[in-house]
Amino acid sequence: GNSVTQMEGPVTLSEEAFLTINCTYTATGYPSLFWYVQYPGEGLQLLLKATKADDKGSNKGFEATYRKETTSFHLEKGSVQVSDSAVYFCALPMNTGFQKLVFGTGTRLL
Amino acid sequence: DGGITQSPKYLFRKEGQNVTLSCEQNLNHDAMYWYRQDPGQGLRLIYYSQIVNDFQKGDIAEGYSVSREKKESFPLTVTSAQKNPTAFYLCASSPTRGTEAFFGQGTRLTVV
Repeated sequence: GNSVTQMEGPVTLSEEAFLTINCTYTATGYPSLFWYVQYPGEGLQLLLKATKADDKGSNKGFEATYRKETTSFHLEKGSVQVSDSAVYFCALPMNTGFQKLVFGTGTRLL
Repeated sequence: DGGITQSPKYLFRKEGQNVTLSCEQNLNHDAMYWYRQDPGQGLRLIYYSQIVNDFQKGDIAEGYSVSREKKESFPLTVTSAQKNPTAFYLCASSPTRGTEAFFGQGTRLTVV
């Protein structure tokens, strides 16, 4: 079935530094891809998504491009803030036809 | 406002007791899910339901039970058969033919 691999954390950055969190996937076809964010003690919130190859999702200064050639969906932000400290999860549907998601292990950003 | 409500936010259970975690959604979504999250770990799927009166086991269903009698409600019972129930539990929903899942704020269960 579909699967996702995320870089391990924690990632520790200074304010205004550039952020990259790597995510690669294995999938049948070209499913939608998602990044979720979890702030301390809270549930997950959808951060951004891309529904087809070459799409770029963006939100709150974060971006990720759906790259089918490298099967990647890396999360980037040009200038991180203290308020961005959270755990970030890459996800995709487990199979087609029903949106049961499989998640990466999460990357903590400090 | 539309969303998913989980209650309680914190729950304490004595060993040998069953407890039920509540999950309600007013998004009119067909599908609902329960995930378990352990410290520093990713999410693991416990149960999911695609439609009322139907549900399937996920990856770690042992020691848990669910019901789906109403579209908007998907309660999770943690039974005494669950050997290590202390964790953060997350409920989610999605339109069956939609894309992303929407999450509640979670319930932190602690066995004392």
